Amino acid sequence: EVVLTQSPATLSLSPGERATLSCRASRSVSTFLAWYQQKPGQAPRLLIYEASSRATGIPARFSGSGSGTDFTLTISSLEPEDFAVYYCQQRSNWGLTFGGGTRVEI
Amino acid sequence: QVQLQESGPGLVKPSQTLSLTCTVSGGSISSAGYYWSWIRQHPGRGPEWIGYIYYNGDTYFNPSLQSRATISVATSKTQFSLKLASVTAADTAVYYCARVDINSAPTGFDLWGQGTLVTVSS
Repeated sequence: EVVLTQSPATLSLSPGERATLSCRASRSVSTFLAWYQQKPGQAPRLLIYEASSRATGIPARFSGSGSGTDFTLTISSLEPEDFAVYYCQQRSNWGLTFGGGTRVEI
Repeated sequence: QVQLQESGPGLVKPSQTLSLTCTVSGGSISSAGYYWSWIRQHPGRGPEWIGYIYYNGDTYFNPSLQSRATISVATSKTQFSLKLASVTAADTAVYYCARVDINSAPTGFDLWGQGTLVTVSS
């Protein structure tokens, strides 16, 4: 199993600031990594797939980067609706797993 | 527009089998290029992939749940189901059905149901 470790656990920022979220894999997953946003009482929403491709309808302020074991989700300028929990997820020969999440709060 | 909706009992007794159905509206499960999945989420934790079924009927499971989980497609081709045997309190979670579209976003789940809470308790 590939373990995904997300950091920090909580990120306290203000609207307009830049958010940088990290996801580290216990072994290489190439670029088979996705990012999600989840708000209370809702299902996760796909933001990024294949490490750096934005999903349909996702604003350009969201960007993903990385390959192998180290990945980053960047929100260039936080909007009020971006305060939520973010998860990374990988798919590899060793199965499919999610990270523990990063909460972005005001 | 394709939508997913989970249904099934919200309360299951320990040692029994949890059974959920996902109804796919606006599309067909038998269309090529889609994985139809079950995912669960315990309170305050990240999601946990249970398994998925490919449009051709092939199934893939999380090794930690493989011995207890079954995913199948209904003959109508508009529903797929999850059965999880021998449940315990640790199986209490919100269960989601979701889709992977390998032609547009092969790594991620691009479509989700709203989720359904299943509680295991006597």
